[in-house]
Amino acid sequence: QSALTQPASVSGSPGQSITISCTGTSSDVGGYNYVSWYQQYPGKAPKLMIYDVSNRPSGVSNRFSGSKSGNTASLTISGLQAEDEADYYCSSYSSRSTFDWVFGGGTRLTVL
Amino acid sequence: QVQLVQSGAEVKKPGASVKVSCKASGYDFSKYAIHWVRQAPGQRLEWMGWINAGNGNTKYSQNFQGRVTLTGDTSASTAYMELSSLRSEDTAVYYCASPYITMIEGIERIIPFGYWGQGTLVTVSS
Repeated sequence: QSALTQPASVSGSPGQSITISCTGTSSDVGGYNYVSWYQQYPGKAPKLMIYDVSNRPSGVSNRFSGSKSGNTASLTISGLQAEDEADYYCSSYSSRSTFDWVFGGGTRLTVL
Repeated sequence: QVQLVQSGAEVKKPGASVKVSCKASGYDFSKYAIHWVRQAPGQRLEWMGWINAGNGNTKYSQNFQGRVTLTGDTSASTAYMELSSLRSEDTAVYYCASPYITMIEGIERIIPFGYWGQGTLVTVSS
């Protein structure tokens, strides 16, 4: 299954900002504003953090923000906190015939 | 609040089938689709398909076409995912996910994968 490309890992110190990229194609990320981001702690289910590129569900901290340029979407976490250490996945609607939704490979965020 | 409770872990032999349940509460189960996603150990999330139990419509990833069957029981607000012809590569945590529903400029916006079940570990081993 073709997937979205994310960096394997990123790190930052408390209080800093980090950005995680998610690169796809014109058939998914670039073609639709249906990019979402999820936070997943080890052994736990994912949690929706951002939808439709840049919108936050109620209850999600405004330290999390999303954007998109061309075929690449980005998640930015500002004011890093220890509790932000987790895996982050992006997803996008896809117009490919084989599947409707595609996920990124995940990025492990380490708070130093 | 929305809650999805999945059935317990399963151990199956290669070639067998497994059926995982997902009981929903806190929203109109009959109105919105439930998606199924799996995650093999240390691997990415993989979309399997969705079902709208209210009208019976389904859509499957072609990566699972012919092996996965999604069903739903509206009277029990429960969705089911059955995977057949299991092989070792199917060892994974299987999740159900319901939508996050919001209003944008007066129009209902349905976001898939808004809420997730706790996951069901399916181990395929001889």
